[in-house]
Amino acid sequence: RKEVEQDPGPFNVPEGATVAFNCTYSNSASQSFFWYRQDCRKEPKLLMSVYSSGNEDGRFTAQLNRASQYISLLIRDSKLSDSATYLCVVNGGDYKLSFGAGTTVTVRA
Amino acid sequence: GAGVSQSPSNKVTEKGKDVELRCDPISGHTALYWYRQSLGQGLEFLIYFQGNSAPDKSGLPSDRFSAERTGGSVSTLTIQRTQQEDSAVYLCASSFGGAGRDTQYFGPGTRLTVL
Repeated sequence: RKEVEQDPGPFNVPEGATVAFNCTYSNSASQSFFWYRQDCRKEPKLLMSVYSSGNEDGRFTAQLNRASQYISLLIRDSKLSDSATYLCVVNGGDYKLSFGAGTTVTVRA
Repeated sequence: GAGVSQSPSNKVTEKGKDVELRCDPISGHTALYWYRQSLGQGLEFLIYFQGNSAPDKSGLPSDRFSAERTGGSVSTLTIQRTQQEDSAVYLCASSFGGAGRDTQYFGPGTRLTVL
């Protein structure tokens, strides 16, 4: 079983729509959680950290459910520029990060 | 300021040749990581350097892979006797500290194609 699993999508949504997706992780001792964004043929960049109480950053909302071992990302009022692959990233307590394979989001005009 | 840089950006080589990939981390970052990303796959951890400590090489897929970090800064990943399954994007990242919660900043990657 992979450490971090994501629905690969793609999620095709119109501009202005809300899109949400989850990822699950296998290590119950995981301590830190992140969403990274990766544009086509570019490097991953940190989008936001995910805190236990949930957190927002503008149109992006991240939630953590430790009991069920999943995290979620919700994008409100989608923009064309939100089209990317979103990587779920989990840290098990040391320096190593475990990356999901990514969820692809395509926002259409 | 300058981000993480990697060179070359693209490398095409023949099976059996050796290749060297270079990473220049952000100045002042003590931790440096190498990852490999194959098509449709998540990032695969390869190796981790932290300051002057012995590197964690546990992610290297075979003894054909090696890496060094000179002077606590620039790092070189070497793949000997390349195989077609080595074709991937090799990403380097650095962070200020070595804790997993520290943000890792990625370089643009080296796209390796082994013919």
